[in-house]
Amino acid sequence: GAVVSQHPSWVICKSGTSVKIECRSLDFQATTMFWYRQFPKQSLMLMATSNEGSKATYEQGVEKDKFLINHASLTLSTLTVTSAHPEDSSFYICSAKTGNNNQPQHFGDGTRLSIL
Amino acid sequence: QKEVEQNSGPLSVPEGAIASLNCTYSDRGSQSFFWYRQYSGKSPELIMFIYSNGDKEDGRFTAQLNKASQYVSLLIRDSQPSDSATYLCAVIQGGSEKLVFGKGTKLTVNP
Repeated sequence: GAVVSQHPSWVICKSGTSVKIECRSLDFQATTMFWYRQFPKQSLMLMATSNEGSKATYEQGVEKDKFLINHASLTLSTLTVTSAHPEDSSFYICSAKTGNNNQPQHFGDGTRLSIL
Repeated sequence: QKEVEQNSGPLSVPEGAIASLNCTYSDRGSQSFFWYRQYSGKSPELIMFIYSNGDKEDGRFTAQLNKASQYVSLLIRDSQPSDSATYLCAVIQGGSEKLVFGKGTKLTVNP
């Protein structure tokens, strides 16, 4: 149980392109989804927290107009990297949880984004 | 931001040995404690979670929590080469739903 699917797993595109990443909870309803970014040999960095039907809460320093998050249903959240540039190249990972604050987060497989 | 500290390692153990991974946290209001395993180039995978003082066992894994000492550990018995990964300690601080991660301990199990 608690399977989170993330798609695509790998993207290479030109600078200036917008890229959409999907995160789905397959066997549970996710009250909250989270988006992280991880650079090589560094820790996970939380970008934003997303609750179904409401606006995402972004962490300090994360541009909400560049990283658009939509959480339209209890099983789907999307992250769109708008007008991506080489410095946006990273490993993007979503996670999902259900229930109260104490419940564990379950992670998707991640999306490796490379901007040329 | 209150912190979660882990020994970054690397920790190297022979196959079949017990690997002991340690973590301390600074927020006394923390309620939930998690261990994730992350293989190189992959996303984190939940191994164990623990909420109450004491030990919690699941197969070869045992999580130990001591809230008075603000300390949580993970023991891996009969370590296998496939256990070689970075182990992330994560804590949910009081009043939050966010995970605060340690920097991870890299474990290598030598055949």
